[in-house]
Amino acid sequence: KAGVTQTPRYLIKTRGQQVTLSCSPISGHRSVSWYQQTPGQGLQFLFEYFSETQRNKGNFPGRFSGRQFSNSRSEMNVSTLELGDSALYLCASSLGTGGLLDEQFFGPGTRLTVL
Amino acid sequence: GESVGLHLPTLSVQEGDNSIINCAYSNSASDYFIWYKQESGKGPQFIIDIRSNMDKRQGQRVTVLLNKTVKHLSLQIAATQPGDSAVYFCAEYTSGTYKYIFGTGTRLKVLA
Repeated sequence: KAGVTQTPRYLIKTRGQQVTLSCSPISGHRSVSWYQQTPGQGLQFLFEYFSETQRNKGNFPGRFSGRQFSNSRSEMNVSTLELGDSALYLCASSLGTGGLLDEQFFGPGTRLTVL
Repeated sequence: GESVGLHLPTLSVQEGDNSIINCAYSNSASDYFIWYKQESGKGPQFIIDIRSNMDKRQGQRVTVLLNKTVKHLSLQIAATQPGDSAVYFCAEYTSGTYKYIFGTGTRLKVLA
């Protein structure tokens, strides 16, 4: 079974731009969660989508948004990029029936650099 | 690959020895805990979990201990191998708030 895939793997943007990251979950998984990982803050939960609906949300500003499609693939968007948004963005998928208590399988991440 | 946590605390262990990695969690109401392993260039990988109604759980070569009195979690790896070299971090989950909080991690280096 193929793992979680994320595209692109690396991205460079400038301040003020917006960016869209993509995540394809493991086949059969209906939940997709997004995380931001930085050396200073560690791993922080952004939001979780299940059946095309945002089910849980972390403490990030509204510039961070996401959506999920009917095939469970998910996209995350960050608008008006700031230097502090430079991070590794990780996506994780799970079956979703147990909420966030289901074992989550992480993708390799997208490394975003904001200049 | 990407470097995660450039200034993480590091635990260096001789191959074959046991490793103990510690984590202090923040919320006394947290009821579910997970240990993750993250190798360079990869996403976190689930190792073992424990619920707050338990104080010990064993897996293959790994044991997690939970001390709710002092809000402390530890991961014990038996007979540490070179492939165990990675960053390890804990996560706490609070059902009432549906939130995960992750520790910053410890880098484990296995010396041959």
